[in-house]
Amino acid sequence: SQQGEEDPQALSIQEGENATMNCSYKTSINNLQWYRQNSGRGLVHLILIRSNEREKHSGRLRVTLDTSKKSSSLLITASRAADTASYFCATARAGGSYIPTFGRGTSLIVHP
Amino acid sequence: DAGVIQSPRHEVTEMGQEVTLRCKPISGHNSLFWYRQTMMRGLELLIYFNNNVPIDDSGMPEDRFSAKMPNASFSTLKIQPSEPRDSAVYFCASSLDRERADTQYFGPGTRLTVL
Repeated sequence: SQQGEEDPQALSIQEGENATMNCSYKTSINNLQWYRQNSGRGLVHLILIRSNEREKHSGRLRVTLDTSKKSSSLLITASRAADTASYFCATARAGGSYIPTFGRGTSLIVHP
Repeated sequence: DAGVIQSPRHEVTEMGQEVTLRCKPISGHNSLFWYRQTMMRGLELLIYFNNNVPIDDSGMPEDRFSAKMPNASFSTLKIQPSEPRDSAVYFCASSLDRERADTQYFGPGTRLTVL
């Protein structure tokens, strides 16, 4: 069963705009990760945030985690056409096997 | 490092044929994962190995699927006999070790089409 669910399923924006994707999950987690998948490629790890962290930054990426709401958001600032991809959240359950469970993904299209 | 290597990249076969997918994990990584991705079901974990030992194969759809890891640098996923509903992209991923299995490195995938 899938733990994390991304929202929206699809997002279309213009280059330069910010893109925000959300992930909700059901049970307590040890950590949450975001991955990107370009068309026809494998998933690439972007960022990991642990349950005791609230926010992390990596370049133009900003991830927040609200464990009380069981949700996370991924913000891509000043988007570029090259950011066009599917974005997945993956959660590792607290007390579990540390194996991440992936959501269905958000498809992001950035128009030049 | 070359990253996770998968072969073949594309496979087209007929129903009933045996299919073997191959994976070479990143050197030094102790955990290896096989996933299947379809539009309908998303990304599903089929099986994962730690130190060449299968730890959890509960995601393997049925007895037609089998996976082996004879050594630290090679794994296979076999489907016999294949069926059209097995058509999907199959990914292999590796991570440094089980206790830190949180960051996974994915291969480029094998796109399988069963006619």
